[in-house]
Parts: sequence; C-alpha cells; structure tokens
Amino acid sequence: ETGVTQSPTHLIKTRGQQVTLRCSSQSGHNTVSWYQQALGQGPQFIFQYYREEENGRGNFPPRFSGLQFPNYSSELNVNALELDDSALYLCASSLGGSGANVLTFGAGSRLTVL
Amino acid sequence: AQRVTQPEKLLSVFKGAPVELKCNYSYSGSPELFWYVQYSRQRLQLLLRHISRESIKGFTADLNKGETSFHLKKPFAQEEDSAMYYCALSGYNTDKLIFGTGTRLQVFP
Repeated sequence: ETGVTQSPTHLIKTRGQQVTLRCSSQSGHNTVSWYQQALGQGPQFIFQYYREEENGRGNFPPRFSGLQFPNYSSELNVNALELDDSALYLCASSLGGSGANVLTFGAGSRLTVL
Repeated sequence: AQRVTQPEKLLSVFKGAPVELKCNYSYSGSPELFWYVQYSRQRLQLLLRHISRESIKGFTADLNKGETSFHLKKPFAQEEDSAMYYCALSGYNTDKLIFGTGTRLQVFP
C-alpha cells in the first residue's frame, strides 16, 4: 500500500505565472482534498474532488482550480500567482462516502512566489 | 461561523509533567473533532478522533459540547511528544476539515 505522494516538493515562481501541483492518492482512496498552509497557520481547505467531480470548495478565488483523474490522482492549478499564494500546499486522500472522515496527507509542495 | 481556536502557539513542559493542549470550536450542528500531529520532518497525521474514544500514545481528548471544547491531555509528557498539534473539525459524514492554527509542544528532558 502506498501513501499520498506530491510533486514537486519545492518550486519558485514569479507573480503572474501559473503553477500546477500534482498528487497521487493512497491506494484504495477515491477522494482528494487540497489544503493551503501559510507560514504559522493551520491548513485551510481549498477544495475536494470525489470521483472526478468537485465536491466542495473553501474560500478561494476561481484562479485556484483542480482536476481529478480516473485513477483518482489530482492536480491543483493556480493562475495569476500572487505573493500571498506562497505557502505549503497539502494534498490529502480519503475513502469518500464511508463517513470515516480520516485523511491521509502528503508531504506537501512548498510554493514560493517572488 | 465554523471555527477552531487553539489559544496557545507554544506549550513547553518538562518530561513527566502533565500536558493539556486547548481547543475550542464553533460549529452549528454536531461536528466531529480530531487531533492531528506533525512530528519534525514528518507529514501531518491523525492522532485521534472523538468518536473513537480511544487513547493514542497516552493522549486522550474528551468532547465537551457544553463548553464547545476538545482539549488534548496526557498525564506524563515524553520527549518524543514534541511536535506540532492541530485540532480540527468536520461536519457529520464529510471529510472536509477546518483546522486550528496549531500548538507547538516542546517537552524538555
């Protein structure tokens, strides 16, 4: 059984650029959630994908978008990057519909926007 | 508004001392409460959840609906308990989590 893997681990972008972060969910999990963790803060919910459909969204602008693929892996895309987008982006997978509410987190992708 | 408050950014204790990490929440309805932990250079992981009513690594947490609290307790802290602890909540039958800002626990020898 493999855990949640994220790529890249670190990246640096400049304002206005676009970024794509990737996540492979844990084997057997069909739901992927993305969180943003700014320095000194707790993770904040961005959105969740269940069976390739967006299943809930937090308070983030539309320039944050995502995809989930048939193999349940996922991408987070951020357009028109701003300095405040600098953060650790966490992906978490779970078995949606089970009511288990237990998330398995990846190690994160640290994005720096200059 | 749905919110999780962890009033302490840092809690420092000596080995063998009791530990209580505070967590208060605001939620309309019946939330599920969790404690997640992040040890140094490791990923965020579940420590315990209130519906399991179990003790993990000597930690327990009781949901107090009257005080809307879910404090994490351990009677005798160990050095390996040093980590970042996050309290989180979700609604019933959903796995979208609302996290607090976290408390760093330092256990000195």
